[in-house]
Parts: sequence; C-alpha cells; structure tokens
Amino acid sequence: DAKTTQPNSMESNEEEPVHLPCNHSTISGTDYIHWYRQLPSQGPEYVIHGLTSNVNNRMASLAIAEDRKSSTLILHRATLRDAAVYYCILRDTAGNNRKLIWGLGTSLAVNP
Amino acid sequence: KAGVTQTPRYLIKTRGQQVTLSCSPISGHRSVSWYQQTPGQGLQFLFEYFSETQRNKGNFPGRFSGRQFSNSRSEMNVSTLELGDSALYLCASSLVPAGNYEQYFGPGTRLTVT
Repeated sequence: DAKTTQPNSMESNEEEPVHLPCNHSTISGTDYIHWYRQLPSQGPEYVIHGLTSNVNNRMASLAIAEDRKSSTLILHRATLRDAAVYYCILRDTAGNNRKLIWGLGTSLAVNP
Repeated sequence: KAGVTQTPRYLIKTRGQQVTLSCSPISGHRSVSWYQQTPGQGLQFLFEYFSETQRNKGNFPGRFSGRQFSNSRSEMNVSTLELGDSALYLCASSLVPAGNYEQYFGPGTRLTVT
C-alpha cells in the first residue's frame, strides 16, 4: 500500500524558508504527490501537487527527487498563517486513495 | 464560487443511535470523498462517490455507508453508533476522481457519541 513518512513536527521563524520533507519509497509510476495543510479548526486545504517535475504556485514549491522516492514542500517565506499540519499523500492516476492513510502529517510551528 | 458545505457542523448522539451527515460539493464537482479524522489516527479514508456510484471504499465496517444524489450532493450514514465513532467527519470534492486534480475539503462535522 502506498504510504508516506513525514517528521512529526518542525519549527521555523517568520519570513524564513521552510523545507518540509516527505518520504514515499513505495511510490508507483502513476502516483501523483499531493500536499495539503490543515489549519486549526478547519478542513484540509490543497497546497500543491506534482508527478515528476518540480512545481511552483503562489503558495509553495514542490521539489521531487529524481527517483521520486521523496519530495520536499518549500514555503519560501513562512508567515504566522502558515502554522498548520502539512500532509503529503499519494493519489494514483485514477484518483484511487482507498488504500491511503493520511497519517498525522508534520505540525509546523512558526515563530514571530 | 461557494465552497464545500457540510451539515450539521456539530452533533451529539448516544451509543446505538444512527446518524446521517450531509455534504454539498462545489458546483460542477462530481466526485465526493469522505474521511474520518481522530486525534491519534489522522485522516482515514471512508469512501468516494462519483456520478452516484461508489468508486472506492476504505477499511471501515458496514455500519458506515453513503450515497450520492444526481446533483452530486452526498450523505453518509453511521448506524449503531459506538463511542469510537466520535470524530471529525470531513467531506472533500473534486471535479473528477483523478490523481491530477485537487480535492477541496469542507469544514467537517464534529460527531460526539456519548
């Protein structure tokens, strides 16, 4: 079953870059790497996703290792609003995620 | 464009009762997924519906069921509630159930079973 591994928690200072790692050694060729985040008392929020190439959007960048067994979510300048739990998950081409466990994600604390 | 809405937001039930939760996806989205979130377990996938058909199902007992209507709105039902069913139930919608599409989550329904 597809599974991802993330550190339980990380800490950053405001306005500094943050690199959130994720290992997915069992990834298959058709799995997309998705990142979501969940702010306190809210549902998860989509951040970014990619397949093979690095991706950028207004929220973050996603760096995918060449062998695709790991990826890193990059927040270029952390703000207090970025304090959240970040989840890295895999979704295959058909969108199947019945075997996927989101896990507990990485809890990011941002210091002012 | 309105986001995903879930009703009710909070619910208290007694063991043995049943409960029905509702989810209205973003307009135009035809895929709806349900998740259970508990403090020690993270998000666990319950099931996914697309065009009124259940596409995927997670590892939950048959007490958990769902359905999707022609307007893409979805309901999930839990019968014979147990204390362990206390959780935040999240609904997510996407255009279609494909890996290259993002999911949009609702705020969730907080269910407490006493």
